[in-house]
Amino acid sequence: DAGVIQSPRHEVTEMGQEVTLRCKPISGHDYLFWYRQTMMRGLELLIYFNNNVPIDDSGMPEDRFSAKMPNASFSTLKIQPSEPRDSAVYFCASSSGGLGQPQHFGDGTRLSIL
Amino acid sequence: GQNIDQPTEMTATEGAIVQINCTYQTSGFNGLFWYQQHAGEAPTFLSYNVLDGLEEKGRFSSFLSRSKGYSYLLLKELQMKDSASYLCAVRDPSPAGNMLTFGGGTRLMVKP
Repeated sequence: DAGVIQSPRHEVTEMGQEVTLRCKPISGHDYLFWYRQTMMRGLELLIYFNNNVPIDDSGMPEDRFSAKMPNASFSTLKIQPSEPRDSAVYFCASSSGGLGQPQHFGDGTRLSIL
Repeated sequence: GQNIDQPTEMTATEGAIVQINCTYQTSGFNGLFWYQQHAGEAPTFLSYNVLDGLEEKGRFSSFLSRSKGYSYLLLKELQMKDSASYLCAVRDPSPAGNMLTFGGGTRLMVKP
C-alpha cells in the first residue's frame, strides 16, 4: 500500500521566494496534518484538516504560511515570502478517525532558505 | 494546554533493557502514542495506550498510568538498529479532535 507521499524531498531557495510543499495522504484517511520539525522546537503541528476542512490552524506561525486541501487526495503548504528561519523539515501525516488510529507520516520535505 | 516531558538523551548497551519515561500535564487526555524516528527519516508508529497498564508488542512494551500522568516505553534485547529518537505524544481530548502534541523526543544511543 502506498504511504503518505510528499514532494519535493529537498528544496533550497533564496529568501523572499515562494515555496510550495505538496502532500498526498493515504487513500481513505480523512485527517491530514502538517508538521514542522527543528532541533530547537521539535515536532510542531501547524494545521490539520478533517474531510478537507481546516479544523485547527493555531500552529501556523504567521500570515506568510497558508495551507489548502482542495480534495481528499491532495494538500499544499505554501510559504510566501520565505525567510531563513523557515528552514526545517516539514512533514505531512494522515490518519483515519477513531480512537487509537495512528498518524502515518510522509518522508518529509527538507527546506533550506538561504 | 499540553506539557510533555521526556529525557533528552539516553545511552544503553546492546542486548540490555532500557526504559524511556514520559510525563504529561494536560487539560484532558484521550490516549498516548509512542513513535520511533531514525535520523533523517519520518516518525513511525510504535504503540498506543488509552487505559492504564502495559501493552506488549514483541521487544517493545508501553505502560500508562493516567492518575500519575506517566508513561514509559520499554525496549528489551536492544539492537544497534534501535538507536533512534523516541517521541511521546498525547492525543487531543476533544471528541472530534484527532491532533497530537509531541514531546521533544528522547535520543537513544545503543553501544556495542
